[in-house]
Amino acid sequence: QKEVEQDPGPLSVPEGAIVSLNCTYSNSAFQYFMWYRQYSRKGPELLMYTYSSGNKEDGRFTAQVDKSSKYISLFIRDSQPSDSATYLCAMGYSGNTPLVFGKGTRLSVIA
Amino acid sequence: SAVISQKPSRDICQRGTSLTIQCQVDSQVTMMFWYRQQPGQSLTLIATANQGSEATYESGFVIDKFPISRPNLTFSTLTVSNMSPEDSSIYLCSVSEPGIPGTEAFFGQGTRLTVV
Repeated sequence: QKEVEQDPGPLSVPEGAIVSLNCTYSNSAFQYFMWYRQYSRKGPELLMYTYSSGNKEDGRFTAQVDKSSKYISLFIRDSQPSDSATYLCAMGYSGNTPLVFGKGTRLSVIA
Repeated sequence: SAVISQKPSRDICQRGTSLTIQCQVDSQVTMMFWYRQQPGQSLTLIATANQGSEATYESGFVIDKFPISRPNLTFSTLTVSNMSPEDSSIYLCSVSEPGIPGTEAFFGQGTRLTVV
């Protein structure tokens, strides 16, 4: 079983829809959780990070972590065509160990 | 936020040759990271480059194949040596967000390498 599982999609939604992106993980030692957005031919861009279970909101984006279920989610409200990108989850153990990335989910928001 | 410039953005190379990728940051950073992103795969960490010390390589990556330099706090290079088609990938450098240790917050735009 891979440490981090993420459905690669592709996921296609109409403009204005609520998008739910998810990752599961197997190692309960992960302490912090990130979501990155990667546009085509660009490097990943950090969207959200959190250290604890619960929800964290930033504009149209909400990151949710459920440590008991080893499950994290990213919700995008009122999705826009500019949200079309690949979204990668990532998890870390501590400050000096490398992150473990999911494979990324490719999202297309159709106008 | 840090701005990272990575060069070249893409290259097509002959097998058996080497390519050096440069990563320039607009501010001083302690830790820089080099990743590989193969099509349809996760980002895989190659090594962590700290200024003034040898790079730390992850399992499956060795210095002879991927030598790294870190001459100062704003610059690093990754060389892909004796290339084969299996090295075709996107190579990315990354730096941490100050005050949030361990978060690879900023990435360069990547170098898309094709080996023929």
